[in-house]
Amino acid sequence: KNEVEQSPQNLTAQEGEFITINCSYSVGISALHWLQQHPGGGIVSLFMLSSGKKKHGRLIATINIQEKHSSLHITASHPRDSAVYICAVPLGGADGLTFGKGTHLIIQP
Amino acid sequence: GAVVSQHPSWVICKSGTSVKIECRSLDFQATTMFWYRQFPKQSLMLMATSNEGSKATYEQGVEKDKFLINHASLTLSTLTVTSAHPEDSSFYICSARGQGLQDTQYFGPGTRLTVL
Repeated sequence: KNEVEQSPQNLTAQEGEFITINCSYSVGISALHWLQQHPGGGIVSLFMLSSGKKKHGRLIATINIQEKHSSLHITASHPRDSAVYICAVPLGGADGLTFGKGTHLIIQP
Repeated sequence: GAVVSQHPSWVICKSGTSVKIECRSLDFQATTMFWYRQFPKQSLMLMATSNEGSKATYEQGVEKDKFLINHASLTLSTLTVTSAHPEDSSFYICSARGQGLQDTQYFGPGTRLTVL
């Protein structure tokens, strides 16, 4: 069983739709990361959160530590949001990250 | 926000040669740097963790004599792939973290290595 599970693996939606991506993990953690990876491979760190909820622009991340579950929401989605969204938790040494397989999001105009 | 650079962004080399990849934190001091790799259509995987001035800690299955990591300063870590083979072709990404364990990791843009 993977230590970090994401769903869905692939998601295609229309512009303007509300998007939800889910992440579950198997062990206690200090914080969870949401990352965005574009086709060229570059990674952008979206959020690091250890409790509750964070918001940045149209992106919202929530985490429930007791249930070992986090969600990433995108409001008013736009084609430029198309990317792979990755959930990661610090399970490695010195908090090195273990990654989910990612959610490939396509927003169609 | 904090910026991490990697150089080169891509490299093609012949089998048996060595390739060095640099990871620099441009506007903060990175006490810890992480090296990850990503094979096509797979997840990122942690290779090793390096702390400034000390030896790197490698994840299980990563050969420390093949992937040499040096973290000689608070702004620079290097990964050298020695005697590269085609199976080492991958996307290598570093991340850097400041002094606090709760600090976020800032990722470099990655280096795409192709070994012929």
